[in-house]
Amino acid sequence: GAVVSQHPSWVICKSGTSVKIECRSLDFQATTMFWYRQFPKQSLMLMATSNEGSKATYEQGVEKDKFLINHASLTLSTLTVTSAHPEDSSFYICSASPPRVSYEQYFGPGTRLTVT
Amino acid sequence: GQQLNQSPQSMFIQEGEDVSMNCTSSSIFNTWLWYKQDPGEGPVLLIALYKAGELTSNGRLTAQFGITRKDSFLNISASIPSDVGIYFCAGYNTNAGKSTFGDGTTLTVKP
Repeated sequence: GAVVSQHPSWVICKSGTSVKIECRSLDFQATTMFWYRQFPKQSLMLMATSNEGSKATYEQGVEKDKFLINHASLTLSTLTVTSAHPEDSSFYICSASPPRVSYEQYFGPGTRLTVT
Repeated sequence: GQQLNQSPQSMFIQEGEDVSMNCTSSSIFNTWLWYKQDPGEGPVLLIALYKAGELTSNGRLTAQFGITRKDSFLNISASIPSDVGIYFCAGYNTNAGKSTFGDGTTLTVKP
């Protein structure tokens, strides 16, 4: 149980374009989903907390107009990187928490974004 | 914000050896969690600790929630090659509704 998927697993895009990454909880309903960014050999950097049906809460320093998050249902959250730049290239990982067990996070396999 | 100090940063051990890593914080957490991340994958939850002083095992893994609620350790006994990866501790704060992650311990096991 507690399986989270991400799509795509990797994507290459050109500067200036937008990329959407999907995060789905496959066998449970997730009231809260988290989006992280990870640079090589570094820890997970929380970008935002997404609650179903409400606006995402962004961490300090994360541009909400650049990283658009939508949590439209209890099983799906999306992250859209708008007007991508090479410095946005990174490993993006989502996680989902089941209701009443919000301290347990189940991570997706990640999406490798490369902006050329 | 809250920060976790995880050590050691990396470990190189022989197969069969025991491993110990720990996390400390200046802040109190309600829950401590340990994750393992394989290259190119998302982290996988290994152990969750809910009460100060709690000692929990999951196979060859044992973790403890420190009495002060500001630290936790993870032990791996009789390491095997598939234990290779990055281990992250995380402290969950109920009021903040989110976890803070340590910088990770990279484990290499030599056959």
